[in-house]
Amino acid sequence: QKEVEQNSGPLSVPEGAIASLNCTYSDRGSQSFFWYRQYSGKSPELIMFIYSNGDKEDGRFTAQLNKASQYVSLLIRDSQPSDSATYLCAVTPGTGGFKTIFGAGTRLFVKA
Amino acid sequence: AAGVIQSPRHLIKEKRETATLKCYPIPRHDTVYWYQQGPGQDPQFLISFYEKMQSDKGSIPDRFSAQQFSDYHSELNMSSLELGDSALYFCASSFGQGATNSPLHFGNGTRLTVT
Repeated sequence: QKEVEQNSGPLSVPEGAIASLNCTYSDRGSQSFFWYRQYSGKSPELIMFIYSNGDKEDGRFTAQLNKASQYVSLLIRDSQPSDSATYLCAVTPGTGGFKTIFGAGTRLFVKA
Repeated sequence: AAGVIQSPRHLIKEKRETATLKCYPIPRHDTVYWYQQGPGQDPQFLISFYEKMQSDKGSIPDRFSAQQFSDYHSELNMSSLELGDSALYFCASSFGQGATNSPLHFGNGTRLTVT
């Protein structure tokens, strides 16, 4: 089992819809959770980070964390074609420190 | 705002050659990370440095080495290059004693092609 798992997609949603991206992790002691967006051939760009159970909203983005279920999600409201990218879930393990583990990413397509 | 600077952007080497990738972190960031990303793959953690000391090690081959210098820039040295080393190499930096609670900021990457 991979430490961080995501559905590779592609996930296709129409413009204006809500895109829901999901991620599970194996280390119950994981401390920090990040969502990165990556366009093809480009570097990952931080979208959201969340440390506590519950929801965190930033503009059109909402991150949700459920540590009991070892589950973190990202909701994108009013999806735009420019949101089409690969979304990487990243987790720092329970030992903390200096390693961030990435999931394989979910490819999102927003159709105009 | 200043970002993480990587050089070169593109590098073409032949098998068995050596390569050196450079990374300049965001000013005042004290931790540098190196990741390798193959086509269609997720970024794989190679190694990290905090305050010029190696802080964590991932799936870095023995043929690779890295260090962080007094000005906090870092270099990834790759020897005896193999075709499978062809990938995007990202450097990232963060502030505050590591990745816990401290998001990584990535450079634009170096695309290494080994022929």
